Amino acid sequence: AQSVSQHNHHVILSEAASLELGCNYSYGGTVNLFWYVQYPGQHLQLLLKYFSGDPLVKGIKGFEAEFIKSKFSFNLRKPSVQWSDTAEYFCAATGANNLFFGTGTRLTVIP
Amino acid sequence: DGGITQSPKYLFRKEGQNVTLSCEQNLNHDAMYWYRQDPGQGLRLIYYSQIVNDFQKGDIAEGYSVSREKKESFPLTVTSAQKNPTAFYLCASAVGISYNEQFFGPGTRLTVL
Repeated sequence: AQSVSQHNHHVILSEAASLELGCNYSYGGTVNLFWYVQYPGQHLQLLLKYFSGDPLVKGIKGFEAEFIKSKFSFNLRKPSVQWSDTAEYFCAATGANNLFFGTGTRLTVIP
Repeated sequence: DGGITQSPKYLFRKEGQNVTLSCEQNLNHDAMYWYRQDPGQGLRLIYYSQIVNDFQKGDIAEGYSVSREKKESFPLTVTSAQKNPTAFYLCASAVGISYNEQFFGPGTRLTVL
């Protein structure tokens, strides 16, 4: 069965620390990958997406993610986090007819 | 101003009552989705629809029903058969099924008293 795994449930960082959130998917075919973010009290919104081409994709607010096909991974990174990055982050992958979401990672950035 | 609207934002229901959550989009998207979000469980798909008058069950469809009479609208009914209905419900839409970015509404928080 298709699934998406996010290994970190809650990450706490100080401002200016570097961030890497793990995401692994299980699907043998062509897959499109997404990272969504949910800021407190706001809509779920797209951070970045990978469909094809350069496996290093850049998104909004300085986030980037790298697609590593051999590892079935699509980890999210940011070199230096800010307090405003405090949010919940969801990785998602396309399946046959819909998106599969991971369980989410809550990021808390301490000023 | 294009987007997805969900109403109401908060909804309270007594046990044994059915309740319908509204979802409307003016993005001219063909596909629409309903998810349930619970703490620590991420988003789980309830139902989705690729075109008008057609919809498919997702992973957790039991106790829910939907209709898609218009392209813009995809209401979700939480029936009394749903054993644990208290949750945050998110509606989304996409240009086409699965391979495209999904756009999300603000959500409805349902509490069963």
